[in-house]
Formats: sequence, C-alpha cells, structure tokens
Amino acid sequence: KAGVTQTPRYLIKTRGQQVTLSCSPISGHRSVSWYQQTPGQGLQFLFEYFSETQRNKGNFPGRFSGRQFSNSRSEMNVSTLELGDSALYLCASRGASGGVQNEQFFGPGTRLTVL
Amino acid sequence: GNSVTQMEGPVTLSEEAFLTINCTYTATGYPSLFWYVQYPGEGLQLLLKATKADDKGSNKGFEATYRKETTSFHLEKGSVQVSDSAVYFCALSEEGTYKYIFGTGTRLKVLA
Repeated sequence: KAGVTQTPRYLIKTRGQQVTLSCSPISGHRSVSWYQQTPGQGLQFLFEYFSETQRNKGNFPGRFSGRQFSNSRSEMNVSTLELGDSALYLCASRGASGGVQNEQFFGPGTRLTVL
Repeated sequence: GNSVTQMEGPVTLSEEAFLTINCTYTATGYPSLFWYVQYPGEGLQLLLKATKADDKGSNKGFEATYRKETTSFHLEKGSVQVSDSAVYFCALSEEGTYKYIFGTGTRLKVLA
C-alpha cells in the first residue's frame, strides 16, 4: 500500500506570494490533517479534513486555508507569504473511521522557504 | 489548554546505553498518548501508543507507560543502537476531538 505522498517536496517563494501544497492520503483514508513544523515552535496543528469537511482547526491566521476533494486528496494554501511561514509542512492521514485513536500516517513533508 | 512537555535535547548516548526521554502532559479528561519518531529527511512514524491509564505501549524495544497519577508517558529503551538516532516526539490526542498536540521533540544521538 502506498504511503502518504506530498508534492512538491521543496518550494522557494518570496514574501507576498501565495503557495498551494498537495497531499494524497493512503488509499481508503478519509481523514487528512496538516501540521507546520519549525525549529522554534515545533509541530503545530493547522487543520483536519474528513470527508471533504473541515473537522478541526488550529490557531493560525486566515491566510492558511485548506480543502479536501472527493477522492480525499487535500490541498493547503497560504496566501500573502511571510518570512515566518518558512517551515516543513506535514500531512497525515488516518483510517476509514477517522477516530482519534487511529494511527496517523505522515507524509515526508513539503519544505517551504520564503525569501 | 492541553499541552505536552518533553525533556530538552540533544541526548547523546553510547551504543547499548539505557535511554529515558521524559514526557509529561496537561489535559482534561482522558487523552490518548503517543510517541512518534522522525528520522532525518522523513516524516513522523508512530512508535507506540497507549489509550488509557496504566496501558503500556511497546515497539522495537521501546516502552512507555501511561501514568495518570503523574501525568507522564516516559519513553524507555534498555539498549540503544546507532540506528535509533532520530528526533522523538511525545503527543496526545484530546478526548472528544481529533486534534493532536505534540511536544517540542527530543533529538537522540547514539554514538558507536
């Protein structure tokens, strides 16, 4: 079974631009969560989607948004990029029921650098 | 709010040494607890989990016991290997929601 895939793996953008990251969950998984990982703040939860609906949201500004498609693939968008948005963005998928005790499977991440 | 606190790293050990990485949490209700490991250039992998008090999670020689009285979930391994060098994250999932809260991570370096 293929794992969680994220594209692109690396991105370089400049301040003020916007960016879209993509995540394909494990086949059959309907829950997709996004995290931001930085050296200073660690891993911070962005949001989770289940069956195309945002089920939970972290404490990030409205510049961070996401969506999920009917095939469970998810995209995350960051508008008006700031230097502080430079981070590793991780996506995780969870099993069919999406229950909290189900293991999350993480992708390798997208490394975003904002210049 | 809920939180997870891990010991700061890096932790440097010789091969075959005993490992303990401390993790304590603050949470209402009965969260589930996890240890994840991140190898260089990779995403996180679940190492072990415990879903209720006194549960012991174990995998690949690593163990952690859910201690509600001390709100702790310390990770232990009796004999570390060079291949265990990685960053270890303690995490909890809030009861009743689907949010995970992670600790800041502890880098482990094992020397041959």
